[in-house]
Amino acid sequence: KNEVEQSPQNLTAQEGEFITINCSYSVGISALHWLQQHPGGGIVSLFMLSSGKKKHGRLIATINIQEKHSSLHITASHPRDSAVYICAVSFYTGNQFYFGTGTSLTVIP
Amino acid sequence: NAGVTQTPKFQVLKTGQSMTLQCAQDMNHNSMYWYRQDPGMGLRLIYYSASEGTTDKGEVPNGYNVSRLNKREFSLRLESAAPSQTSVYFCASSETTSGDYEQYFGPGTRLTVT
Repeated sequence: KNEVEQSPQNLTAQEGEFITINCSYSVGISALHWLQQHPGGGIVSLFMLSSGKKKHGRLIATINIQEKHSSLHITASHPRDSAVYICAVSFYTGNQFYFGTGTSLTVIP
Repeated sequence: NAGVTQTPKFQVLKTGQSMTLQCAQDMNHNSMYWYRQDPGMGLRLIYYSASEGTTDKGEVPNGYNVSRLNKREFSLRLESAAPSQTSVYFCASSETTSGDYEQYFGPGTRLTVT
């Protein structure tokens, strides 16, 4: 049973478009992470959130604790943003992360 | 500062063969993890080590064993490989097991069992 749901599974956008990827989870969490996995396979951490909003360059992550929902936004998308974006949560009980299945983003020039 | 390194990058095994995947981190992290990634599924935790000298099962531990050799190194062993273990394996490390800390991932090992 996957306790972290992401949508959409696949997303194709034109360069310059505003992109939103969604993540929802089932119970209270201590933190939510957004990760990026490039076509070569490497995984890097983009954001860690427990409340509110964070911004790095063209990437913005928000979380609504009451609604158990987070969004990752990419403004002015670029082909180099093409990757799989993964949501991961850490629940209050336990010592591990639970991962969504990822959103595969392709940005076309 | 290499971060998290894994060897090998690729491996092909026959059913029943054994092998060990090696992982090392140079960030002085206390906690280390082994995950597998399969198509259509999220990363799943196989085993983790909260600190040197301890290991615990994750979501999918069957068919695997681990050793936390020292603070830097955490190995994953397949004693008798099965086709169901064909996957991409990632090692990761973090300061602690708390979700408040970022996990750093290795480059992955692509394993095929025939």
